[in-house]
Amino acid sequence: DAKTTQPPSMDCAEGRAANLPCNHSTISGNEYVYWYRQIHSQGPQYIIHGLKNNETNEMASLIITEDRKSSTLILPHATLRDTAVYYCIVRETNSGYALNFGKGTSLLVTP
Amino acid sequence: GAVVSQHPSRVICKSGTSVKIECRSLDFQATTMFWYRQFPKQSLMLMATSNEGSKATYEQGVEKDKFLINHASLTLSTLTVTSAHPEDSSFYICSASLGDYTFGSGTRLTVV
Repeated sequence: DAKTTQPPSMDCAEGRAANLPCNHSTISGNEYVYWYRQIHSQGPQYIIHGLKNNETNEMASLIITEDRKSSTLILPHATLRDTAVYYCIVRETNSGYALNFGKGTSLLVTP
Repeated sequence: GAVVSQHPSRVICKSGTSVKIECRSLDFQATTMFWYRQFPKQSLMLMATSNEGSKATYEQGVEKDKFLINHASLTLSTLTVTSAHPEDSSFYICSASLGDYTFGSGTRLTVV
């Protein structure tokens, strides 16, 4: 039941902004957009989430379109350690259900 | 923030033996924990939902008699892979929710 669509891979030069898109055209009104990333051979790491307003934290910014059908995760100054698979997931918050992971975007940050 | 500890990080076992993986919520109580499996170059696949004090709920296609889950306390869930075979070799990850979902660091199981 993939609710999100992401490009399979992206490259980004070190120090530049990485903009990772996600389409979620069937998102419902009470579903949030979550972003996680998984560095090789580690557990997923929470990055950010939002409902309809843009969000920013120490890791990234999340831009959600006004119709909420798509969003973009922005890593403002990518480093080599940001190389990972990034997952965009839509989910009701505090639903008690597990997160369902799609295939994500494999981001490669190059020197 | 919430921390989930998973142990061991990697284990190698002989075919036919059983392996236990532990998942602990260190600074919060988790009535529900989740177990995932990840094969190389694939995404995480949910195996089961572990419920404190009751039976786990398994996803379709996951053998409950092979993957035994015990959630005896609010901070500990265990996954036991019984009679392991080479095809069970995978990366196993647990997760718990305290608002946001927190994941363990994963267990690399190799069955030889």
